Amino acid sequence: DAMVIQNPRYQVTQFGKPVTLSCSQTLNHNVMYWYQQKSSQAPKLLFHYYDKDFNNEADTPDNFQSRRPNTSFCFLDIRSPGLGDAAMYLCATTTGGLGTEAFFGQGTRLTVV
Amino acid sequence: AQKITQTQPGMFVQEKEAVTLDCTYDTSDQSYGLFWYKQPSSGEMIFLIYQGSYDEQNATEGRYSLNFQKARKSANLVISASQLGDSAMYFCAMRAGDTGRRALTFGSGTRLQVQP
Repeated sequence: DAMVIQNPRYQVTQFGKPVTLSCSQTLNHNVMYWYQQKSSQAPKLLFHYYDKDFNNEADTPDNFQSRRPNTSFCFLDIRSPGLGDAAMYLCATTTGGLGTEAFFGQGTRLTVV
Repeated sequence: AQKITQTQPGMFVQEKEAVTLDCTYDTSDQSYGLFWYKQPSSGEMIFLIYQGSYDEQNATEGRYSLNFQKARKSANLVISASQLGDSAMYFCAMRAGDTGRRALTFGSGTRLQVQP
């Protein structure tokens, strides 16, 4: 059974129209990550939560926001998507322990038209 | 700040041979963890192996082993007896820092192609 679930798998949105991607987990992990991955590139960390403590990367554009209403769910909001925001968005979870692996969802591929 | 460097954009290996994928890292933290992930063309990230900064033995998981040289800040992945299904992107990653701020940072990846 999938432990980290991202919805939808594919999302098409219009230029400038707000879009929300969702991630849920059944692992009860403290930490949730959001990554942006463009074609043939490394995943780029946008932000992460440790419980409710939000950690924003310094170079994450203000256009990207996140919410974590409870342990199980985390949302990525893109307020005004541009063509450059088309990418795969990956959600991952882990415990606070240093050595525990991160479990990834299957990703949401975002297309901006 | 943490940094992971993978200097091999692409590698070729013959089926059944061994291959080493390079990874160097930089961090000011004394405690850190190093990970390798495999990403097939389908896109999911698959965990392969972990090495802790205080682990004295090199990690091994089946055909995967990690050649950890702490003084050189390198954590190379060795895949023995390569199989066609090993063809994928491979990412080295690191976690370090205080409990609440342990970002998982990835290198730029190496695309491995296994040839029959």
